[in-house]
Amino acid sequence: GESVGLHLPTLSVQEGDNSIINCAYSNSASDYFIWYKQESGKGPQFIIDIRSNMDKRQGQRVTVLLNKTVKHLSLQIAATQPGDSAVYFCAEIPIKAAGNKLTFGGGTRVLVKP
Amino acid sequence: GAVVSQHPSWVICKSGTSVKIECRSLDFQATTMFWYRQFPKQSLMLMATSNEGSKATYEQGVEKDKFLINHASLTLSTLTVTSAHPEDSSFYICSASIYSNEKLFFGSGTQLSVL
Repeated sequence: GESVGLHLPTLSVQEGDNSIINCAYSNSASDYFIWYKQESGKGPQFIIDIRSNMDKRQGQRVTVLLNKTVKHLSLQIAATQPGDSAVYFCAEIPIKAAGNKLTFGGGTRVLVKP
Repeated sequence: GAVVSQHPSWVICKSGTSVKIECRSLDFQATTMFWYRQFPKQSLMLMATSNEGSKATYEQGVEKDKFLINHASLTLSTLTVTSAHPEDSSFYICSASIYSNEKLFFGSGTQLSVL
């Protein structure tokens, strides 16, 4: 079936450097994409979202890029901090899906080294 | 942002007993809530869609008689794990949104350990 997947299972980054987390999706009908951050023992926390009519969206220290041609999504974290250490999931909602039924990717663990 | 409260945050029970997990939307009404299951180092797996005032919609492979879902009001959905077994031990998470096709807010999760 269609799914959302990730290239890198673990990313180690030096504190202060920029982080880039990648995600490949296979459902070309997907309309809405979201990045979530999950710390150990907690529920996912919304980071940023983007709709398919956009290529880029910026938040506070984070930027999401969407390349519909190659069905690729990325999350960029500027000046990575120790508090950014967590697992990051991309998720998608297909256009034809009812409500907010999300499909999650496999997740990338980000480890920030001091 | 909207707040989704999940309770309890962790529970330990004996095999064969039932456990109820509550999910509440604190400052908004949610006609639809979702229940997920997550094993260690894995992604979230959607178990079912909880619809206020009607039966839940279960994903393929999820036993509806095992995982009972009740959505009696616009702010509360419950998941009951019936006759729990050690293999039911997992992290259970609920989510809800204010509007359809908008971002979901997640509860803090419930760690279930069945002895």
